[in-house]
Amino acid sequence: DVKVTQSSRYLVKRTGEKVFLECVQDMDHENMFWYRQDPGLGLRLIYFSYDVKMKEKGDIPEGYSVSREKKERFSLILESASTNQTSMYLCASSYPAGQSNQPQHFGDGTRLSIL
Amino acid sequence: SQQGEEDPQALSIQEGENATMNCSYKTSINNLQWYRQNSGRGLVHLILIRSNEREKHSGRLRVTLDTSKKSSSLLITASRAADTASYFCATPIPGTYKYIFGTGTRLKVLA
Repeated sequence: DVKVTQSSRYLVKRTGEKVFLECVQDMDHENMFWYRQDPGLGLRLIYFSYDVKMKEKGDIPEGYSVSREKKERFSLILESASTNQTSMYLCASSYPAGQSNQPQHFGDGTRLSIL
Repeated sequence: SQQGEEDPQALSIQEGENATMNCSYKTSINNLQWYRQNSGRGLVHLILIRSNEREKHSGRLRVTLDTSKKSSSLLITASRAADTASYFCATPIPGTYKYIFGTGTRLKVLA
């Protein structure tokens, strides 16, 4: 079974801190994604990566950056955390969509609170 | 940002009853996937229906797709308390790596 592991289930940080969220997948997937999920707003794509060192902005990239130095690992960085970044963060991975529309595999999420 | 609309937003039924949830998009639908999310957890892929299929079954799940109406439905038959979760539809944006997720239906099955 595919396993997507997010480093923390719960995280509390202070305003202005630099925050790192880590995600590791074990299925050699090319694509990796970071979403945030907020009540009433559904899943919103922050960034995605289709290969090592390759990344593209999603719908809400402001205030975030990403790093993908190795195929299995995709990190989300909050450059200077703000209270409006309090949210549930979900990482996902998949084979390229062209391969018979493969499903995305999600981690269990990181519930991040910025105080 | 683009989103799929799901209805109902919330659904409460008795164990043994069927649950139906619907998903619609403003853009054309390619293939469509349904996911389940238990409270506080990530999404789990349930079923994929391709654009050339009209109906698909998997265990107690039945999914329909109407590309002309840009809509899909998920039916869970003989529901169980363990089916309590949120359910999301998702479709890829052609030519991109992105997916458009629906707003989700919160299903509660009462024992």
